Amino acid sequence: QKEVEQNSGPLSVPEGAIASLNCTYSDRGSQSFFWYRQYSGKSPELIMSIYSNGDKEDGRFTAQLNKASQYVSLLIRDSQPSDSATYLCAVEGGNKLVFGAGTILRVKS
Amino acid sequence: DAGVTQSPTHLIKTRGQHVTLRCSPISGHKSVSWYQQVLGQGPQFIFQYYEKEERGRGNFPDRFSARQFPNYSSELNVNALLLGDSALYLCASSLLRISTDTQYFGPGTRLTVL
Repeated sequence: QKEVEQNSGPLSVPEGAIASLNCTYSDRGSQSFFWYRQYSGKSPELIMSIYSNGDKEDGRFTAQLNKASQYVSLLIRDSQPSDSATYLCAVEGGNKLVFGAGTILRVKS
Repeated sequence: DAGVTQSPTHLIKTRGQHVTLRCSPISGHKSVSWYQQVLGQGPQFIFQYYEKEERGRGNFPDRFSARQFPNYSSELNVNALLLGDSALYLCASSLLRISTDTQYFGPGTRLTVL
């Protein structure tokens, strides 16, 4: 079983819609969770961090964490073509980040 | 403020050669981590250095080594290159080494092994 699992996609949504990205993890002891965005050929860029159960909002982005279900999600409201990228879920695992393989998001104009 | 910097941007080597990649963390950050990202996969942890000491090592062969200097910059060395070492090598810096601390990535070094 992979430590961090994401649907590889691609996830296609129309411009202006809500994109929902999901991630599950195996280490129940993990305390920190991160979403990174990665454009093709570029390095990962931090979008959100979340440490407590519940929702955390930052502009058009909302991260959701449910430690009991070992589940993290990212909602992108009013999706824009510029949001088209690979979204990486990262889970803290003893002073290192453990990444999922990423979900490709395509926003169609 | 400058972000994480890495050099070189791109590198082409042949099998069996050695390579050295360099990273300068964000000013004030004391922790540097190295990751390897193969096309289509998420980054894989290689090393973490904090205060010039190795604090974590991922599942990579001994051909991979690293060090951190007094100014907190870091080098990643890979010996006896294999075709499978072709990847994007990412350096990430964080202020501390605690698990809740955010890691910020540099632009990466694209290594191609022929």
